[in-house]
Amino acid sequence: DAGVIQSPRHEVTEMGQEVTLRCKPISGHNSLFWYRQTMMRGLELLIYFNNNVPIDDSGMPEDRFSAKMPNASFSTLKIQPSEPRDSAVYFCASSGGGAANEQYFGPGTRLTVT
Amino acid sequence: AQSVAQPEDQVNVAEGNPLTVKCTYSVSGNPYLFWYVQYPNRGLQFLLKYITGDNLVKGSYGFEAEFNKSQTSFHLKKPSALVSDSALYFCAVRDGGYQKVTFGIGTKLQVIP
Repeated sequence: DAGVIQSPRHEVTEMGQEVTLRCKPISGHNSLFWYRQTMMRGLELLIYFNNNVPIDDSGMPEDRFSAKMPNASFSTLKIQPSEPRDSAVYFCASSGGGAANEQYFGPGTRLTVT
Repeated sequence: AQSVAQPEDQVNVAEGNPLTVKCTYSVSGNPYLFWYVQYPNRGLQFLLKYITGDNLVKGSYGFEAEFNKSQTSFHLKKPSALVSDSALYFCAVRDGGYQKVTFGIGTKLQVIP
């Protein structure tokens, strides 16, 4: 398996633009997580899905952020409009069913909003 | 609520010496505990986990961790550090009946040649 795939790896955009980050989880995994990592705040869980259904989105910073998982093999995180403070590395992770299973992280998308 | 603390921002150790990266946790139920490592410009990689059973857990790259229920700790250890072990290490906890994982802030391990 290729592992968790994220695209793009790097994104530079101007304030106010829409940004869409993409994730393909490991085949067979039924849980998907979106994280944001910054120097100031560390690793933050934004939202997670179980069987394509959003379970906890309490970490989504504000209404500008939205996430979807239309099927078991694809998820998107959208920021509209983007702001400079959204600059961070965004990780997607997936895991198999059950609380005992570890998460597998993608390589991340480094987002820079100017 | 669940939480995890990594009290050291950075740990420095000489190559060949034993290393310890500390982690304490708080959960209301039975804890599932994890260690991950992050190399520069990479995603987190799973190292090891404690779910139940033997308190000493062995993982990848020669790392091990000891679960101590009375001290609510799960310290990461390695008998002999390598320069290539230099990275950012994250402890994570999950309450047994809950899917959400809480990560610590990370500890930077620097192994000095």
